[in-house]
Amino acid sequence: DQQVKQNSPSLSVQEGRISILNCDYTNSMFDYFLWYKKYPAEGPTFLISISSIKDKNEDGRFTVFLNKSAKHLSLHIVPSQPGDSAVYFCAASTFGNEKLTFGTGTRLTIIP
Amino acid sequence: GAGVSQSPSNKVTEKGKDVELRCDPISGHTALYWYRQRLGQGLEFLIYFQGNSAPDKSGLPSDRFSAERTGESVSTLTIQRTQQEDSAVYLCASRPTGGSPYEQYFGPGTRLTVT
Repeated sequence: DQQVKQNSPSLSVQEGRISILNCDYTNSMFDYFLWYKKYPAEGPTFLISISSIKDKNEDGRFTVFLNKSAKHLSLHIVPSQPGDSAVYFCAASTFGNEKLTFGTGTRLTIIP
Repeated sequence: GAGVSQSPSNKVTEKGKDVELRCDPISGHTALYWYRQRLGQGLEFLIYFQGNSAPDKSGLPSDRFSAERTGESVSTLTIQRTQQEDSAVYLCASRPTGGSPYEQYFGPGTRLTVT
């Protein structure tokens, strides 16, 4: 039972354009959402997060949007850079719970 | 400073053998997590340590899996009588006391292949 879903296994975007990565979840108890970025042969690194009391959180080139009614979140990267090429994981949790539930990841390739 | 380290980086074992995977968290990090990622799947939570105790073992898939942590540092994940479905990348993560439970620092993982 995949509670966090990333339906696009891969995405290619031209350098300088916007990258949009999507994530859907089924568990309405989730109230905290995160994005992690992973390079080959390295562990995932935390990128950005959002609490369910917000619908948007921005950090530099990265913005996460949350649509609770649709149980959907997205990560926008603007402008996309070659160093953004990586696998991006969406994750979710409930307040006070140490356990993160991850999606399957989306491989983003930025084309120079 | 040093990040989370894991050893070995790769392990190939025969079905039925026991394996031990090691995690060295960042110094001073009291919380430690184990996850695994099977091919084509997301990271799957296995167990969480706070200090030396494990308040959440809910993700361990069977009694063949066990983990321990000593001295609030090193942790070992042991898989007994390995099966082919245990083949995966096993990831360890840690976070500091008082840090957000959601911002975990991951190691590079151990790739386990059971033949």
